[in-house]
Amino acid sequence: KNEVEQSPQNLTAQEGEFITINCSYSVGISALHWLQQHPGGGIVSLFMLSSGKKKHGRLIATINIQEKHSSLHITASHPRDSAVYICAVRGETSGSRLTFGEGTQLTVNP
Amino acid sequence: NAGVMQNPRHLVRRRGQEARLRCSPMKGHSHVYWYRQLPEEGLKFMVYLQKENIIDESGMPKERFSAEFPKEGPSILRIQQVVRGDSAAYFCASSPLVGQVSGYTFGSGTRLTVV
Repeated sequence: KNEVEQSPQNLTAQEGEFITINCSYSVGISALHWLQQHPGGGIVSLFMLSSGKKKHGRLIATINIQEKHSSLHITASHPRDSAVYICAVRGETSGSRLTFGEGTQLTVNP
Repeated sequence: NAGVMQNPRHLVRRRGQEARLRCSPMKGHSHVYWYRQLPEEGLKFMVYLQKENIIDESGMPKERFSAEFPKEGPSILRIQQVVRGDSAAYFCASSPLVGQVSGYTFGSGTRLTVV
């Protein structure tokens, strides 16, 4: 079992829909990152969380440390949101390196 | 501040050649991490370096791969005698001081193709 599990693996939505991507992890962490990767492109850091909730534009990220679970929400989704969304954790005992989930491929259709 | 700079963006090498991938961290960042993304797979940690020191290389293959972060200049990931299985996207990230939660930034990656 991977230390970081994401669901769903693939997600197709219609423009305007509310989207949720989930991330569960099995180790103690000091921080959790949500990343975005476009095809052939680089990796953009969307959020870094150690507790609570963060919001940036149409994106919201939450984390529940006790339940070892985080969610990324996209409100009013748009085709330009189509990308791979990756959850990554920084373990308490792994220094600053990250352990990644397999990613969620999101496709938003017009 | 140009962010984390990786070059080249794309690199093609024949089997047996050497590949050198460069990463210049963000200004003020003294920690560099290399990650590899094999085709159709997730990102995997390779190595963590500070200036002139390798801190954690537990993700590096034992042979043919090496990394350095000299006092001056970029961090270099070196792959000797490349094989087809080395074809992947190699990402570099940098961060400021250890323990500082914010500031973890990725480069755009180098896509290595071995032919």
